[in-house]
Amino acid sequence: ETGVTQTPRHLVMGMTNKKSLKCEQHLGHNAMYWYKQSAKKPLELMFVYNFKEQTENNSVPSRFSPECPNSSHLFLHLHTLQPEDSALYLCASSQGTRLAKNIQYFGAGTRLSVL
Amino acid sequence: GQQVMQIPQYQHVQEGEDFTTYCNSSTTLSNIQWYKQRPGGHPVFLIQLVKSGEVKKQKRLTFQFGEAKKNSSLHITATQTTDVGTYFCDTGKLIFGQGTTLQVKP
Repeated sequence: ETGVTQTPRHLVMGMTNKKSLKCEQHLGHNAMYWYKQSAKKPLELMFVYNFKEQTENNSVPSRFSPECPNSSHLFLHLHTLQPEDSALYLCASSQGTRLAKNIQYFGAGTRLSVL
Repeated sequence: GQQVMQIPQYQHVQEGEDFTTYCNSSTTLSNIQWYKQRPGGHPVFLIQLVKSGEVKKQKRLTFQFGEAKKNSSLHITATQTTDVGTYFCDTGKLIFGQGTTLQVKP
């Protein structure tokens, strides 16, 4: 148990569906992240939130919409996804985003399949 | 922009053999972090290196940061089946290498 909880663990959705991924951290961290992990590709950073403010959007398509209501919770809202969006979506948190405070603790991930 | 290359991409070893993965950056790094992801699992933090030439050990794992702070290595002595997984480096700027997947034959 890393202190970062992601739900759901598995999600199957059609291209016209709207769904949300949830991440909650119990570590008292200030920064939260969304990553996409596809087969045979490096971890791709999607979004970074620091003290609830989005500090990085890594050219992610608008069909992915993040929300960070507070430092402990992070959502990823999904709509009109494509089959190539099928991947493992990982949430992580860290104490901060600066040097030596950016050690990340990952959740177990949501395995997403888009049909 | 910064590029990170991790080699090899895959490595199969016999249990008891040693294993090394390398992380090479196109630019000088402030720090580097290593993570391990077991099959079906999520990345777990192993270590952070900050100083030029730094060497840190965790049991059979030895981590090294290059003198120029542009590369790093992870060496496992006498691999065990529990070492199976993918090892990632992170440059501290949220840029991960593509990982080295280690398979260990018992």
